[in-house]
Amino acid sequence: GENVEQHPSTLSVQEGDSAVIKCTYSDSASNYFPWYKQELGKRPQLIIDIRSNVGEKKDQRIAVTLNKTAKHFSLHITETQPEDSAVYFCAASRTGGGNKLTFGTGTQLKVEL
Amino acid sequence: KAGVTQTPRYLIKTRGQQVTLSCSPISGHRSVSWYQQTPGQGLQFLFEYFSETQRNKGNFPGRFSGRQFSNSRSEMNVSTLELGDSALYLCASSLGPEAFFGQGTRLTVV
Repeated sequence: GENVEQHPSTLSVQEGDSAVIKCTYSDSASNYFPWYKQELGKRPQLIIDIRSNVGEKKDQRIAVTLNKTAKHFSLHITETQPEDSAVYFCAASRTGGGNKLTFGTGTQLKVEL
Repeated sequence: KAGVTQTPRYLIKTRGQQVTLSCSPISGHRSVSWYQQTPGQGLQFLFEYFSETQRNKGNFPGRFSGRQFSNSRSEMNVSTLELGDSALYLCASSLGPEAFFGQGTRLTVV
């Protein structure tokens, strides 16, 4: 089955700096890659996603890149703010086979003032 | 538009008991998936229901089961609870590939 690896497990940045979180996946048939943000005690929230027919997608300060050949995708957050502090999860799935997400192990992002 | 609603929010059960958790998806969403979240194992897929049928299944023992009703509401059941079943159980509602999560049910087995 699918396996998703995520790095780093913790990331500390200064406010205003950029943060990058990287994930690799094993199943070449995976074609949908969402990112979730989970604040302490809250539900995972979908913040951005990318499909395999696109190499990059941006939404304000957040961007995701996908390299299908290398089977890895990354989340980029620019101009980080304290409210960006949370755990971020990447995930992968095959569309057309239902909704089954395989998650990475999460990255604890801390944005320091 | 109401989001995904899970009940109850918290549960404490004793080993050997069984428990039923409920999930009401976003109106119009026919797919409901269930995940277990623990500090050690992260987010793991349990199963997915679509139009009252189980469409996908994860690698959990048969003590974990679910069902979906005609109004797309879903329940999951865990029988013969073990201490290791203590976790946050999340359901996700989907129309397409995007999954929207509920607040979860925090299950503690003592």
